[in-house]
Amino acid sequence: EVQLVESGGGLVQPGGSLKLSCAASGFTFSGSAMHWVRQASGKGLEWVGRIRSKANSYATAYAASVKGRFTISRDDSKNTAYLQMNSLKTEDTAVYYCTRPGSSSDFDYWGQGTLVTVSS
Amino acid sequence: AIRITQSPSSLSASTGDRVTITCRASQGISSYLAWYQQKPGKAPKLLIYAASTLQSGVPSRFSGSGSGTDFTLTISCLQSEDFATYYCQQYYSYPLTFGPGTKVDIK
Repeated sequence: EVQLVESGGGLVQPGGSLKLSCAASGFTFSGSAMHWVRQASGKGLEWVGRIRSKANSYATAYAASVKGRFTISRDDSKNTAYLQMNSLKTEDTAVYYCTRPGSSSDFDYWGQGTLVTVSS
Repeated sequence: AIRITQSPSSLSASTGDRVTITCRASQGISSYLAWYQQKPGKAPKLLIYAASTLQSGVPSRFSGSGSGTDFTLTISCLQSEDFATYYCQQYYSYPLTFGPGTKVDIK
């Protein structure tokens, strides 16, 4: 059974940093890209970024709203993906989901989400 | 970035109704479109990918159609568990983008 479990969310002040983790199981993690998607309270879904597999050179891509501030990485030995968030803004407040792409870059499995609150 | 619009933004329907939600992309995306269902406090659930392919385990009352810029999600006979918010997503090009959502509630 595929499982994605996020952790690391919490309250952080504007300008601060936070690192989220996504622990994966039930599939060949090393062969899969991983994505992050966020959702502010009462709002829609926003794609944050993705990291590809080693075979695809761990290539990353980011939304314009987070580029230069957020970094996605992975540790295939731990079946874990990470989202390092720096220079956080109040508008980064959201539930952050990690997701696994299915047939292409649709998302067939999602974690339960972790809440990040940026506030002073 | 490809902009995705959805209509309506919300609708009220009764159990047994046929419901259609429309998604429009700002440029052609072939069939690189997915539909998701989200219930409050839960992660989204993939319903349809490649515009019309039903995800495994999803009831057959859900169907998708379209290609290019115009797409539809149809629920043929609405059930109580279908009251939720529905999102479409394009994966034709980066950045990946979602529609703003359509909330389906009880009439």
